[in-house]
Amino acid sequence: NAGVTQTPKFQVLKTGQSMTLQCAQDMNHNSMYWYRQDPGMGLRLIYYSASEGTTDKGEVPNGYNVSRLNKREFSLRLESAAPSQTSVYFCASNRPAGLAVFEQYFGPGTRLTVT
Amino acid sequence: RKEVEQDPGPFNVPEGATVAFNCTYSNSASQSFFWYRQDCRKEPKLLMSVYSSGNEDGRFTAQLNRASQYISLLIRDSKLSDSATYLCVVNNGGSNYKLTFGKGTLLTVNP
Repeated sequence: NAGVTQTPKFQVLKTGQSMTLQCAQDMNHNSMYWYRQDPGMGLRLIYYSASEGTTDKGEVPNGYNVSRLNKREFSLRLESAAPSQTSVYFCASNRPAGLAVFEQYFGPGTRLTVT
Repeated sequence: RKEVEQDPGPFNVPEGATVAFNCTYSNSASQSFFWYRQDCRKEPKLLMSVYSSGNEDGRFTAQLNRASQYISLLIRDSKLSDSATYLCVVNNGGSNYKLTFGKGTLLTVNP
């Protein structure tokens, strides 16, 4: 049971290049999330997927697209990377444990630098 | 007003000290409350949920005051291993389980 896995762990892109961040979970969770974390800004939600086949925008979706490929996998794509997208990206999945009590499990993160 | 605001920190305390973190949230409809812990260059992990009646887990005590929209975390007898960033987290309800994170408060426990 690997939990939430992310690839790659590190990436350097030039402005204008594209890439896809991969995320997979083996816990049979329905909901998955992509966050970015910047110094002084905390974690901000980019996109989420409440269930297989659905995706919705979070707080900072501009410049990103997502695909919920199946229940396990949720990918984040940067079509044309910009220096403002330099950040640490975390994927998470959600285990509902009751009506309103639940826990989000995070992957180890992808450290992305755009030059 | 930001959705979730925390003490900016950082906190530097000696081993054995008691330290308290405070957090306020702006959405009165918020339903669930949590403290997450994040070690340097690692992912956040759930430390504890926060219930209206208050709850305790060993050296950690969490309190919620819905009327004041205030959450706290108390750590007693601090250990070196408690050094981390503590994130106050709120769920605003709905079926999508979206969480809103505070910016975090860095704690360093010194020998």
